[in-house]
Amino acid sequence: SQKIEQNSEALNIQEGKTATLTCNYTNYSPAYLQWYRQDPGRGPVFLLLIRENEKEKRKERLKVTFDTTLKQSLFHITASQPADSATYLCATSGAGSYQLTFGKGTKLSVIP
Amino acid sequence: EAGVAQSPRYKIIEKRQSVAFWCNPISGHATLYWYQQILGQGPKLLIQFQNNGVVDDSQLPKDRFSAERLKGVDSTLKIQPAKLEDSAVYLCASSLKEAGVSNEQYFGPGTRLTVT
Repeated sequence: SQKIEQNSEALNIQEGKTATLTCNYTNYSPAYLQWYRQDPGRGPVFLLLIRENEKEKRKERLKVTFDTTLKQSLFHITASQPADSATYLCATSGAGSYQLTFGKGTKLSVIP
Repeated sequence: EAGVAQSPRYKIIEKRQSVAFWCNPISGHATLYWYQQILGQGPKLLIQFQNNGVVDDSQLPKDRFSAERLKGVDSTLKIQPAKLEDSAVYLCASSLKEAGVSNEQYFGPGTRLTVT
């Protein structure tokens, strides 16, 4: 069965540093990979989508990579700020499908 | 643009009681999803609608859960009877229908259900 692992439940980093979150998947090959941010008591908010034929995607201080050989996506936040503190969820979907399979998330804390 | 609306925000019931959640998606979004998010886990898809038809309900516990989307706009999710393990946040999401593309989903704030 499809399996997504975000192998850090929690990550603490110093303000100004680059945060790197990891998402690994097994037993399938998704066509799309998305990253969402979730704050306590709120629903997830879409950040970035990357396709299987794309290596990298950027948006402001965010960067996502997609390595289909390693079956892994990396999510980077450069020049991190305390306001970036939240849980970040990785989600995958297949070609022509709108259904998302989510990982458990990584709780990022940016320390001033 | 108004976001996805959900109500109630919180609900506490006793086991074996019934409960219903309501969702109004973003105007023009044909696809609507209900997710269950247990504390410490990612959201798990329960059911997906395309307009007023069910696309996938394979993970919906149909012996106790039901959902409908009459007129292809707002939707209700019902649990009857509730069990302790149903305690979770129930999230509604919507997305545009665009063939061949996995679209971003817009989530509501969720309903936190506690079953005692």
